[in-house]
Formats: sequence, structure tokens, C-alpha cells
Amino acid sequence: SQTIHQWPATLVQPVGSPLSLECTVEGTSNPNLYWYRQAAGRGLQLLFYSVGIGQISSEVPQNLSASRPQDRQFILSSKKLLLSDSGFYLCAWVSKGNYGYTFGSGTRLTVV
Amino acid sequence: DQQVKQNSPSLSVQEGRISILNCDYTNSMFDYFLWYKKYPAEGPTFLISISSIKDKNEDGRFTVFLNKSAKHLSLHIVPSQPGDSAVYFCAASGGSGSARQLTFGSGTQLTVLP
Repeated sequence: SQTIHQWPATLVQPVGSPLSLECTVEGTSNPNLYWYRQAAGRGLQLLFYSVGIGQISSEVPQNLSASRPQDRQFILSSKKLLLSDSGFYLCAWVSKGNYGYTFGSGTRLTVV
Repeated sequence: DQQVKQNSPSLSVQEGRISILNCDYTNSMFDYFLWYKKYPAEGPTFLISISSIKDKNEDGRFTVFLNKSAKHLSLHIVPSQPGDSAVYFCAASGGSGSARQLTFGSGTQLTVLP
């Protein structure tokens, strides 16, 4: 069966520090992968998506970046965090041709 | 420009009554719609979906209705239970092939009162 792992669950980072969030999917190959952010009291905002290794599309310009070094690994990074980067970050995957995403359990990031 | 809108940020319903959550969209290219349920500090989980070729899909206590001419869909929960208390996101799917992706609404917090 397919599973998605996302870590860490919570993270408190100072302003200006780097960030690395990791997401891995098991039990499938060549999935589409996504990073979403939910800011406090807001909806789900698509940040990045990837249709294959090394292929990243950015939806919102910001100081975040994403990489897909392996087929089932998706990484969200920042060189210098801002206070506005605080939020709940979600990774999701879907098999190509399917509609419904499966989400990871999320990472609560607080930038202080 | 929000292509998927959930205009009610919150809804309170008595246990046993019907909950109706609404969603509007603007992009006529959307051809598949989904509802997700989200508890605090967890990822959203898929609840129910509907293709644009249908106007109704039912799964147990959950029914989704689609009105294409009005670009409107709704989720009905009958009877509502306290465990249904969560944020509900409407999502729409469009595009083709690998470019297909979901666009989410801002969510509605449903509270079912015992």
C-alpha cells in the first residue's frame, strides 16, 4: 500500500535560519508531488509541484525552494527564513492520471 | 484571483441535523471536484468526489451535489455527528495529463454541537 511520510511534525526556527522539510512516498512510482502551505486561518496554498525527478514548478514567488532528488522524495528548503514563513506545510502525492491527492501529516513551522 | 471559493468560514449545526457546506468556482475548465476533511495538526483526508458529468454522488452520510450551470457544489452531511467537526475544503481539478492539479477553497470550519 502507498504511504506518505513527512517530517518533522513541528519545528521552531529563528528568523534568518535555513529550512529543510522532507517528504517521501512509498508504494508507488513516478508520482506527482506537491508542497502546500496553510497559514493561520487561511486555505491551502500551492507552493510547488513536481511531475518528475528534477522537475519543479513554482506557483508563488517567495524565499522558498523545492527539489526532487529522487523519484519519491520531495524537499522544501529555504536559505533564510522570514517570520511570514510560519505556517502548516503539507506534502501531497497523486498517481498520474488520478484526481485525489493523498496528504502527509504536515509540519507546523513557527519562525521566531 | 480565487478560482474556488468557500464563502462561509464557519458553520455550526446541531447533532443529528443536516450540515450543508457550499463551494463556488469560476473556471469552467474544472471537470472534477473533491471534498477534503481536515482535523487540527493533521493533513487533509479525502472525503468524497464528483465528476462534472454527474450532478450527485452519495457515500453513506455524505452527498455532494454539483450545479454546473451555476458553478456551484455543495456537501450535505446527514445526520451530522460531533466527530464531523473539522475544516472542510472544497477542491477542483483541471488541466490535462501531468499538469492536472487541485485548486482548493479557503475551507469551512464545521462545528457539530451535541
